[in-house]
Amino acid sequence: GAVVSQHPSRVICKSGTSVKIECRSLDFQATTMFWYRQFPKQSLMLMATSNEGSKATYEQGVEKDKFLINHASLTLSTLTVTSAHPEDSSFYICSARTTGGDTQYFGPGTRLTVL
Amino acid sequence: QKEVEQNSGPLSVPEGAIASLNCTYSDRGSQSFFWYRQYSGKSPELIMFIYSNGDKEDGRFTAQLNKASQYVSLLIRDSQPSDSATYLCAVKVSPVGSQGNLIFGKGTKLSVKP
Repeated sequence: GAVVSQHPSRVICKSGTSVKIECRSLDFQATTMFWYRQFPKQSLMLMATSNEGSKATYEQGVEKDKFLINHASLTLSTLTVTSAHPEDSSFYICSARTTGGDTQYFGPGTRLTVL
Repeated sequence: QKEVEQNSGPLSVPEGAIASLNCTYSDRGSQSFFWYRQYSGKSPELIMFIYSNGDKEDGRFTAQLNKASQYVSLLIRDSQPSDSATYLCAVKVSPVGSQGNLIFGKGTKLSVKP
């Protein structure tokens, strides 16, 4: 149980394009989902907290107009990286928290490369 | 600023030994504590969580919590080369003024030598 999927697992795009990443909780409902970014050999950095049916809460320094988050259902959150640039190349990981619970379960991550 | 501190390592232990990973946290009101394992190039996976003072055992893993000292540890018995990974300690911050998010340490890299 508590499986989280992400799609795509890997994406390569040209600078200036937008990329959408999906995060799904497969066997549980998740009122809250989280989006992290991890650069090589660095620690997880929380980007934003996504609550179903409401606006996401972004961490300091994360541009909300660049990283669009939509959490339209209890099992799906999406992150759209708009006008991606090479410096946005990173490993993007989502996690989902069971409704009423504490534990976060991570998706397998999406490796984004912007050329 | 609520913080979670871990020794970055690398911690190197021989196969079959006990690996001891430590974590301290600054938020005295924290109630929930988690250990995740992250292999290189992969996302974190949950190993175990602990809420109460004392020890909690799950197979070869034992989590230890001491809230008075604001200290949580993870022991791995009979360490295997496949245990080589980065271990992340995570603490749920107190709910007031937050969404109950987890604060992650930077992780300790463990290397188990055959």
